[in-house]
Amino acid sequence: GQHIDQPTEMTATEGAIVQINCTYQTSGFNGLFWYQQHAGEAPTFLSYNVLDGLEEKGRFSSFLSRSKGYSYLLLKELQMKDSASYLCAVMDSNYQLIWGAGTKLIIKP
Amino acid sequence: EPEVTQTPSHQVTQMGQEVILRCVPISNHLYFYWYRQILGQKVEFLVSFYNNEISEKSEIFDDQFSVERPDGSNFTLKIRSTKLEDSAMYFCASSERGGSGANVLTFGAGSRLTVL
Repeated sequence: GQHIDQPTEMTATEGAIVQINCTYQTSGFNGLFWYQQHAGEAPTFLSYNVLDGLEEKGRFSSFLSRSKGYSYLLLKELQMKDSASYLCAVMDSNYQLIWGAGTKLIIKP
Repeated sequence: EPEVTQTPSHQVTQMGQEVILRCVPISNHLYFYWYRQILGQKVEFLVSFYNNEISEKSEIFDDQFSVERPDGSNFTLKIRSTKLEDSAMYFCASSERGGSGANVLTFGAGSRLTVL
């Protein structure tokens, strides 16, 4: 079946860098998304990768390797407000989004 | 910035009652979705809607669920006879395009449904 795997929880220090990994196995691939979700709130779009390589957007970067079924989200210069869950989602061959369970990122001062 | 609006933000209902959750998607978006997220669990797809009909639905979206676009702006999710396990946050989302390319979904703030 289709599945997406991410670590359940990660802890990092304010000002540091953290990398959140995502591996996927889906029927077809039409792009990978990263969303940020603060507790009790809606997911908000962070990034989209459809070709291999790195996409950079300010403090956040996302990497994709389609051959390895692998992506990561890199967060630099961490701030306390970055404490949230980070959701990896893959669009399959039917253009449906398959969601990972999310990685809860805890930022410590 | 345009946003997706959902009402109510929280609804408490008795088991077996009907519930209607409302959404106003972004005005120039053509594709509409309902997702749910049980507390502490992953986001789950329920249904997608395009051109006034359901385009895809998941196994969760059984006969107890229905969607409607009653006018040009609202998009509703109806649960006919709620069960305890329907307690979840329900997110509405819309996107400009549905298929290939960066199909970025914009989510509403969610409607929390509590079934007692």
